[in-house]
Amino acid sequence: DAGVIQSPRHEVTEMGQEVTLRCKPISGHNSLFWYRQTMMRGLELLIYFNNNVPIDDSGMPEDRFSAKMPNASFSTLKIQPSEPRDSAVYFCASSRDRSTDTQYFGPGTRLTVL
Amino acid sequence: RKEVEQDPGPFNVPEGATVAFNCTYSNSASQSFFWYRQDCRKEPKLLMSVYSSGNEDGRFTAQLNRASQYISLLIRDSKLSDSATYLCVVAESSASKIIFGSGTRLSIRP
Repeated sequence: DAGVIQSPRHEVTEMGQEVTLRCKPISGHNSLFWYRQTMMRGLELLIYFNNNVPIDDSGMPEDRFSAKMPNASFSTLKIQPSEPRDSAVYFCASSRDRSTDTQYFGPGTRLTVL
Repeated sequence: RKEVEQDPGPFNVPEGATVAFNCTYSNSASQSFFWYRQDCRKEPKLLMSVYSSGNEDGRFTAQLNRASQYISLLIRDSKLSDSATYLCVVAESSASKIIFGSGTRLSIRP
């Protein structure tokens, strides 16, 4: 079975550019999570969807960040405009139903903003 | 105070040793607890869930102490392959809230 798929795996961009990260959750999973991981702040939950509806977006840093889940098999995290402090590894994870179920992580997107 | 706190380590122990980590949480309404493992430059993966009665999976034992609000992970007969960062996770389903600890780094030496 395919796990959580993320693309791109690596992204290098210049400050001010728009960045779009993509995620395909495990088929049949109803919850999807976007996380950001840095050495300084660890793993931070950005946003959590259940049945394609955003449930908790309190972790989204600011208006430059937006996330969508147009259907059960696809989600995007967009940063516009990007800044050097956005450099991090962004993970997408999915779980069968609730936030308290086991989460399966994708391989992550390593973002570098110059 | 952080909602979930872990000793960052690193813990550097010889192969075959027993090592234990603790993780404290501040929200008494927390309902579900997990330990995840993360290898260098890889994604986190579930190691084990933590049940109220405590649970064991081979060399790994997890325990929950609700009164003192901490969970623990014990690794017996440690192997070189146990070297990783161990993340404590606390979740509260009523608030759809899940929080990862910052992780404890473990290094097993030959």
